Formats: sequence, structure tokens, C-alpha cells
Amino acid sequence: DSGVTQTPKHLITATGQRVTLRCSPRSGDLSVYWYQQSLDQGLQFLIQYYNGEERAKGNILERFSAQQFPDLHSELNLSSLELGDSALYFCASSRDSLTGELFFGEGSRLTVL
Amino acid sequence: AQSVSQHNHHVILSEAASLELGCNYSYGGTVNLFWYVQYPGQHLQLLLKYFSGDPLVKGIKGFEAEFIKSKFSFNLRKPSVQWSDTAEYFCAVYSGTYKYIFGTGTRLKVLA
Repeated sequence: DSGVTQTPKHLITATGQRVTLRCSPRSGDLSVYWYQQSLDQGLQFLIQYYNGEERAKGNILERFSAQQFPDLHSELNLSSLELGDSALYFCASSRDSLTGELFFGEGSRLTVL
Repeated sequence: AQSVSQHNHHVILSEAASLELGCNYSYGGTVNLFWYVQYPGQHLQLLLKYFSGDPLVKGIKGFEAEFIKSKFSFNLRKPSVQWSDTAEYFCAVYSGTYKYIFGTGTRLKVLA
């Protein structure tokens, strides 16, 4: 158990819909990272937050947004969903935002029909 | 933009065979390098990391990796694989821009 909790584990929805994925980092970790894993695409970095503030953006679509709340949990919002958004979405946390080891959740598998 | 390339997407080995997984990155500055492993049904976990010093780093379960700065490489090795090493392996680079970039992964299957 990494200590990072992601909900829901599985989600099936339709095109055009909106979903919210939730991540609770390990106790004491201030950084949260979001990644998308599609078939044969590896882990695509989406966005990082540190102590409530956005620190870095990767290949995140405009239809996607995220935030980190005062209690340090984070949510990834995916809207106007397309078939191609079907993927495994991972959250990871770390103690600091610079050099440390990432601790991953088990992922949220999103299927868009 | 920085990127990480893993040359082998799928590798199949017999038990006791030696393993080497390639990883190259594109970034000219100082980097921190990592290998993560994802066993079937489990979350990604750290295998080993390089920040500075001895370019040959040892990780858990007998894995090691060598950082060759001139080649922008950080290859993962294990002298003798076991069936339990069947997993997906990810190379990752952190270059100080707050972006922690992963490669596409290598799926290793070890035949008993």
C-alpha cells in the first residue's frame, strides 16, 4: 500500500459527459502529480500541484482541469469527454516538489463509450 | 522539450537470463533519474534512483542501473531474472522544471 488513495477505481461514462477523479496523497506529502496512461502511450504527465498551487503543466487538454484543496487532496476534472480520453489516470504524491520519489495510487480507469 | 525513450516495449526472457533495458533522455542539464516498476495488479513503485555521485546505482531486488552522461542513458540491468520480475518497467527523468517525465514503459515477461 503506497498510502495514496484514488477514487473511483473504475468509471464508465458516455461521450460529452464530465467526470471528477479524486486523489488523497500520503500523509505529509505536499506535491500531487497527475498522469494519464493510454495504451502504448506510457505515462503522460498532466499537471503538478504543490501545497495548493499549480507548479507545472504537461500535456493537459483544455477540457481537463485540476485543483489541490487546503487539505491537500486533489481532483482532476475531465469534461466534454471523448472516446480517446479512455485511459488509466494515476495520481502520485511526494514529500517535496523537486527531487523525491513519487508514490503512486492504483489509478482510476476511465472508459468513455 | 525533455523526453524519455525506452527502446524495448516488450521483452521476453527465460529465468536466469540477464536483463538490460535501455533508457535515453533528452535534456542537457542536470537530471535526476529513476526506474519504477509496476507488478501486475499493483501500483508503480520505485526500483532505484540516481541523483549524483557513483553512476552505478543499486536498487531493490538485485536491480542496478548505470548513468552514462555522455550517452544520456540510464540503462537498467539485472544479472539473472526471476519469474517474479515479470512486470512493466518505467524510466523517469526529473530535470528541475517540476516535470517528472516518464518513458513509455517496457513490459517484461519472464518464463519459468
